[in-house]
Amino acid sequence: ILNVEQSPQSLHVQEGDSTNFTCSFPSSNFYALHWYRWETAKSPEALFVMTLNGDEKKKGRISATLNTKEGYSYLYIKGSQPEDSATYLCAFITLLTGGGNKLTFGTGTQLKVEL
Amino acid sequence: EAQVTQNPRYLITVTGKKLTVTCSQNMNHEYMSWYRQDPGLGLRQIYYSMNVEVTDKGDVPEGYKVSRKEKRNFPLILESPSPNQTSLYFCASSLYRGPIDEQYFGPGTRLTVT
Repeated sequence: ILNVEQSPQSLHVQEGDSTNFTCSFPSSNFYALHWYRWETAKSPEALFVMTLNGDEKKKGRISATLNTKEGYSYLYIKGSQPEDSATYLCAFITLLTGGGNKLTFGTGTQLKVEL
Repeated sequence: EAQVTQNPRYLITVTGKKLTVTCSQNMNHEYMSWYRQDPGLGLRQIYYSMNVEVTDKGDVPEGYKVSRKEKRNFPLILESPSPNQTSLYFCASSLYRGPIDEQYFGPGTRLTVT
């Protein structure tokens, strides 16, 4: 069973704060990493797909970096707004011996942005 | 509108009564997948399908069956549901490169087995 860990488990910040959280994954057999945003009572929505070591992706105030050699990815939110409140999931995709690939989700970081 | 649909959205059933949760996508995606979400455990993959007539087990396939007779549909079948299958279920699809492509999730099906 692959170990994909996200920290912190939950986070409360004030509006306007910048914040970041971590996804840690095995550094071997890396294929890709996804970040998803999951609002309460909705479905997860993709934020980023990252495949290369050193990748940096940005969408508005949200950005992500990837270090495949040491097995981690950071998600940053600049100037948090209440609408950023959600659970942020990472998903690690690895290659399987013999072909095929496997996708494993972390348990998520729950972010609450307060006024 | 491009979307993944699931039905039913909510279902309460009794132990042993066979049920099917349907999943359909209108984006011509090749890869489809089923997940269950349980508190503290994250999304866990049940089954996935790389294309029509090609399915494979995920992390937690026991007690579930799937089929992929058409590209757009990927039903999840519980032949004899048990209370430990009470969960929130999501269907997802992605374009063609398997899980390299971002996944599009359905709205979820909340299942309770008594």
